[in-house]
Amino acid sequence: EAGVAQSPRYKIIEKRQSVAFWCNPISGHATLYWYQQILGQGPKLLIQFQNNGVVDDSQLPKDRFSAERLKGVDSTLKIQPAKLEDSAVYLCASSLDLGAGGPREQFFGPGTRLTVL
Amino acid sequence: GESVGLHLPTLSVQEGDNSIINCAYSNSASDYFIWYKQESGKGPQFIIDIRSNMDKRQGQRVTVLLNKTVKHLSLQIAATQPGDSAVYFCAENNIHGNEKLTFGTGTRLTIIP
Repeated sequence: EAGVAQSPRYKIIEKRQSVAFWCNPISGHATLYWYQQILGQGPKLLIQFQNNGVVDDSQLPKDRFSAERLKGVDSTLKIQPAKLEDSAVYLCASSLDLGAGGPREQFFGPGTRLTVL
Repeated sequence: GESVGLHLPTLSVQEGDNSIINCAYSNSASDYFIWYKQESGKGPQFIIDIRSNMDKRQGQRVTVLLNKTVKHLSLQIAATQPGDSAVYFCAENNIHGNEKLTFGTGTRLTIIP
């Protein structure tokens, strides 16, 4: 079974520039998550999708970050404009449907390492 | 606010010995806990989980213990191997919510050959 795919793996930009990350979840996984992992810290959830609908975006800095999952499969996360403090690894994860049956294991992609200069 | 934290940021263990990684949580509403392993350049990988109605759960070479009285979680790795070297995170979840994971800071485990 193919895992969660992310691209690019690395990105270096200057502050105030824009950047976009792409995620392809595991086939059949309805729930998709974007996390931000700052060096030395645990991942922090930015946004969670169930199919193409947003379940939780309470920790997404909406003045500069946006995410979409238009067809309920692939997703993109955009930062515009980037700040120095956005330097982090951006992880995408996916899981089967939420709901009955208990919690679903989240499968993580390798992440995109963003450096903002 | 509520948080999940770890007692030690680094841990070095001799190969073959057992290791114990500890985690404290503060959200009494959390009812599901997971341990993840993260190797350099990779995303977190699920190791083992435990629900709040259990005190102990065992997997292959790993055991998770949950003490709800003191809100403490531990991960025991038996007979450590070089491949166990990684950062380990505990995470908490409320399965009656939207299954949002809250991760701790992590402990770096180094296995000494």
